[in-house]
Parts: sequence; structure tokens; C-alpha cells
Amino acid sequence: GQQLNQSPQSMFIQEGEDVSMNCTSSSIFNTWLWYKQDPGEGPVLLIALYKAGELTSNGRLTAQFGITRKDSFLNISASIPSDVGIYFCAGPIPGGATNKLIFGTGTLLAVQP
Amino acid sequence: DTEVTQTPKHLVMGMTNKKSLKCEQHMGHRAMYWYKQKAKKPPELMFVYSYEKLSINESVPSRFSPECPNSSLLNLHLHALQPEDSALYLCASSQDSGRPSNGYTFGSGTRLTVV
Repeated sequence: GQQLNQSPQSMFIQEGEDVSMNCTSSSIFNTWLWYKQDPGEGPVLLIALYKAGELTSNGRLTAQFGITRKDSFLNISASIPSDVGIYFCAGPIPGGATNKLIFGTGTLLAVQP
Repeated sequence: DTEVTQTPKHLVMGMTNKKSLKCEQHMGHRAMYWYKQKAKKPPELMFVYSYEKLSINESVPSRFSPECPNSSLLNLHLHALQPEDSALYLCASSQDSGRPSNGYTFGSGTRLTVV
């Protein structure tokens, strides 16, 4: 089936560093969503992207909708310890009356104070 | 109220038990979802309810039985589960299943352990 591949799989960084991660698909998506999941909690929506080339920010987070519509990128500037968690991209599989939201493989972020 | 509430938070059950997971939202969302998440893996879709009707069943074994009593509630009935069914079960809702682009709101999940 459809799969969203994220890289890197994990990152271990120092507090204050910038972070970049990406998500790629073999198919075109019309919407890209970025979620963060803390341990033992459900995913929380960070940023939603709706148009190819779109660049959207939410505080220290910036995400971009790739122009090919097959990829998306998330950057975190000046990381802090509470940025720790798993970051998932997600997108609705297009077509049909009921869309299915699928998730990427995830990027685990660890931040050392 | 912008939350999806799931109960219980933790559940341990034997393979012969019958239990239910509950999910509630009061955001007026008309689509509700069950996802299963194994450790260090992404959530995997199990069921989609749209306007209180089951619209997607992702070939889930019949030992999982969803129920949507009304537009605010979603249950997942469990019977004769296997140890490999142990996972975090996430409920989510969205305004409309045809427009998930506005994002899903997830609950905190039920951590299920089958012994």
C-alpha cells in the first residue's frame, strides 16, 4: 500500500541546534500534515499544508509543501528539551468520499540540554 | 471543548475477557476513527465512522468490534484478543471524513496489554 517515508529515522542533538526532517511519498498528496507525539500521548497537529510550494510557520517550526507534491519538510529552529518526541508527517489518501489519513514512519528527536 | 477523551487510559485483559474502549468528543465532528499503534511505529487506521455509519474497516479481525452510538461517542468492543493485540489504541475525530485536510484531533489513547 501507500507509504510515507521519513528521514532521518532518529536525531540526537544539542539544545539550541536547528533540526531538519523530511517526508517523501511515491504518490502525489494534496495535503500534508505534521504531528508531534509525546510518549504515552496521542499525536498533536503542528502544521497543515494545502498547496504546493507553501511555507508555513508555527513559532519555531516551519514546514514546506514540496513543489512536486510528493514531499514535505519540517524545520525546528533553536531546539529546546521539550521538542523531544516523535514527529510524524501524514496525508490523506486522495479519492473517494472518505479519505484515509496515513502516517509516515516517524522521526524520533532527542534533545540534550 | 477541543478534546477527544479516551477511557480507560490503561487496560490489562486476559485472552478470554470482554472489554470496551470508549471515546468521546464534543466538537461537533462528524467523523471518528480508531487507530492502533505499536511501539515506535506510526498509527495504523482500523475503522472510520462517518455520520455515525461505518465507512471503512481496514480488514480488522472480528475480535475488534466498533460501535458508534451517537455522533459524540465511539466504542471499541474487544473479545478473545491475542497478546499481539497489545498496543496503544488511539481515537480521533475530524469535522468531516471527506475533508481530513483540517487535521484530526487525537485522544491520548488507551494502552492495552493482553495477557
